[in-house]
Amino acid sequence: EVQLVESGGVVVQPGGSLRLSCAASGFTFDDYTMHWVRQAPGKGLEWVSLISWDGVSILYADSVKGRFTISRDNSKNSLFLQMNSLRTEDTALYYCAKDRRAGGKADFYFDHWGQGTLVTVSS
Amino acid sequence: EIVLTQSPATLSLSPGERATLSCRASHSISSYLAWYQQKPGQAPRLLIYDASNRATGIPARFSGSGSGTDFTLTISSLEPEDFAVYYCQQSSNWPQLTFGGGTKVEIK
Repeated sequence: EVQLVESGGVVVQPGGSLRLSCAASGFTFDDYTMHWVRQAPGKGLEWVSLISWDGVSILYADSVKGRFTISRDNSKNSLFLQMNSLRTEDTALYYCAKDRRAGGKADFYFDHWGQGTLVTVSS
Repeated sequence: EIVLTQSPATLSLSPGERATLSCRASHSISSYLAWYQQKPGQAPRLLIYDASNRATGIPARFSGSGSGTDFTLTISSLEPEDFAVYYCQQSSNWPQLTFGGGTKVEIK
């Protein structure tokens, strides 16, 4: 059974930094592109970033480019999101999500999701 | 950026009725569209990908259609567990993957 468990969400002041983690199990982690998707309280879904199975291809939403850094450790089946220069509008539940298709043929659909970790940016 | 507009914002129906949800793209996205279901307090669940392919384990009452700019999710006969929020998502214009604003299907 695929499991994705996020952690690291806390309350942080504007301008602060935070590192989110996602522990993956139940599938061959290093075969898949992984994503972060966020959802502000009571709002819709927003894709944040992706990283290819080998860590070579990395993409970001314009809203976080230059502030967030995605990474992965395939030896530990883990995905990370380093968040710097946080803004109040970054307040959201952050989901780790697995791409539907393996290898270099990612199709950028999300077939498994974690339960999310809440990041609150507030003074 | 490709903008996805979902309509209606809320759909009020009774169990057993047919639900028709719309997603319109600001530019053509071929068939690179997915549908997700989200229930309160839960993560989204992939229902449909590439506009019309059901994801693993999704019941046959869910179907997707469309291409280009106009897409439809149809639930042929609503079950009690289908009342939720539904989102569409495009994967055509990466790196900017975008979602629609959602349609809430509520019990009438």
